[in-house]
Amino acid sequence: DTAVSQTPKYLVTQMGNDKSIKCEQNLGHDTMYWYKQDSKKFLKIMFSYNNKELIINETVPNRFSPKSPDKAHLNLHINSLELGDSAVYFCASSPFAGSNTGELFFGEGSRLTVL
Amino acid sequence: TQLLEQSPQFLSIQEGENLTVYCNSSSVFSSLQWYRQEPGEGPVLLVTVVTGGEVKKLKRLTFQFGDARKDSSLHITAAQTGDTGLYLCAGALGGDYKLSFGAGTTVTVRA
Repeated sequence: DTAVSQTPKYLVTQMGNDKSIKCEQNLGHDTMYWYKQDSKKFLKIMFSYNNKELIINETVPNRFSPKSPDKAHLNLHINSLELGDSAVYFCASSPFAGSNTGELFFGEGSRLTVL
Repeated sequence: TQLLEQSPQFLSIQEGENLTVYCNSSSVFSSLQWYRQEPGEGPVLLVTVVTGGEVKKLKRLTFQFGDARKDSSLHITAAQTGDTGLYLCAGALGGDYKLSFGAGTTVTVRA
C-alpha cells in the first residue's frame, strides 16, 4: 500500500490547456501539501491544507487552485498552462500542522511537461 | 533568496571515502531535517534534529545541529554506491507551519 499516491506520474500537455493532479494519503494525517521541484531540484512549497482548511498559500499564480474534498485528498488544478509550469509536483502529508518536528511523507511526484 | 544554503551543490567521490554536506542559514530554526531523494521518487526523511549541538548517528551517517541552531552538517563515513542521491536539508522556523528546503546536494558515489 502506497502511503501517499499521486496521479498521474507523467503529464505532457500543450500551453494554454488546463490539467489536474490528484493526491491521496492513507496515513490518517491531518495535513497535506503541494511542493514544486524545479529543474535545479529546488523544492518550494505552494499550498498546505490542515483538515480541509487552507493554511499555507505561497506566492503562486492564481492559475493554480488546490482543493481538498476531505483530509485524505488534496488535488491541484492548473489553468492556462505556461512553459514555466513545467516541473515535478510533489504531494506530501504530515501528522499535523504547526509541528516543528513533523516528518513529511512525500508521494512519488508528478512530472508535468508543458510544450 | 533561499532561507537555507547547502554546499557543495555537487559531490562525486569514490566508494570508501568520507564526505560532508553543509546546510547554513542566518535564521534560527526550531528543528532541522535531512531528506534523501533518489531519481524518480519523493524525498524520504533521514533524521530530525531539534536541540542546539545535537549529534545523531544513523549507521554510517552522522548529523549535527549547530549550537546556535542556524546550521547543520551531514557526514557519511566510508560511502557506498547506495548512498548516491540528492540530500536535502529542511528547516522550520519557530511557530511556522512551513518547512523550507535547501537547494540540495547531489552526491555520487563511484564504485
